[in-house]
Amino acid sequence: EAEVAQSPRYKITEKSQAVAFWCDPISGHATLYWYRQILGQGPELLVQFQDESVVDDSQLPKDRFSAERLKGVDSTLKIQPAELGDSAMYLCASSNRARTGNTEAFFGQGTRLTVV
Amino acid sequence: SQQGEEDPQALSIQEGENATMNCSYKTSINNLQWYRQNSGRGLVHLILIRSNEREKHSGRLRVTLDTSKKSSSLLITASRAADTASYFCATARRGGSEKLVFGKGTKLTVNP
Repeated sequence: EAEVAQSPRYKITEKSQAVAFWCDPISGHATLYWYRQILGQGPELLVQFQDESVVDDSQLPKDRFSAERLKGVDSTLKIQPAELGDSAMYLCASSNRARTGNTEAFFGQGTRLTVV
Repeated sequence: SQQGEEDPQALSIQEGENATMNCSYKTSINNLQWYRQNSGRGLVHLILIRSNEREKHSGRLRVTLDTSKKSSSLLITASRAADTASYFCATARRGGSEKLVFGKGTKLTVNP
């Protein structure tokens, strides 16, 4: 069964350093989401792509976070510089509303970021 | 910001009992979805209910939706220890990008 791939699974970085996460969605899925999940809370949407275009980045801290999906396939989320408060699980998900007729999202296993 | 609010925040039951979790939301929606998350893992989609549906079943899961009260419930019948996880509702808002907004979740513990 197709899966959303994320790497790395775990990342420890020092504050003020740069960090990047990668996501490969399920083949053919036009919509890609990046969520941040703080321990004990629900996922918070950071950015949503439709193909290569950003359709929602209203919650993305743009002074330090950036996201791209250049060819409309895989995506990279970057933080520079990292702050202690960025420690969280970063989840990538994809969906294909046009194919399934609904917005069921498939999630990767996430990247657990610890900033020290 | 998170739209859905689940309650209770935590629920502990014995194996074989039923578990009911509730979700309230604020805006008009196209559909509402429930997801499950095992500790430290990604989320898994359980069930989707459209705004024009009132009830839906999938195996041991039963979901209801009351759009007049902007609320939904998830019932897990005959719970098993393996059902222990966090459960989240997510709403897809009407119109626009179909942005999925999650609640804070209910942590369910099923004791053997």
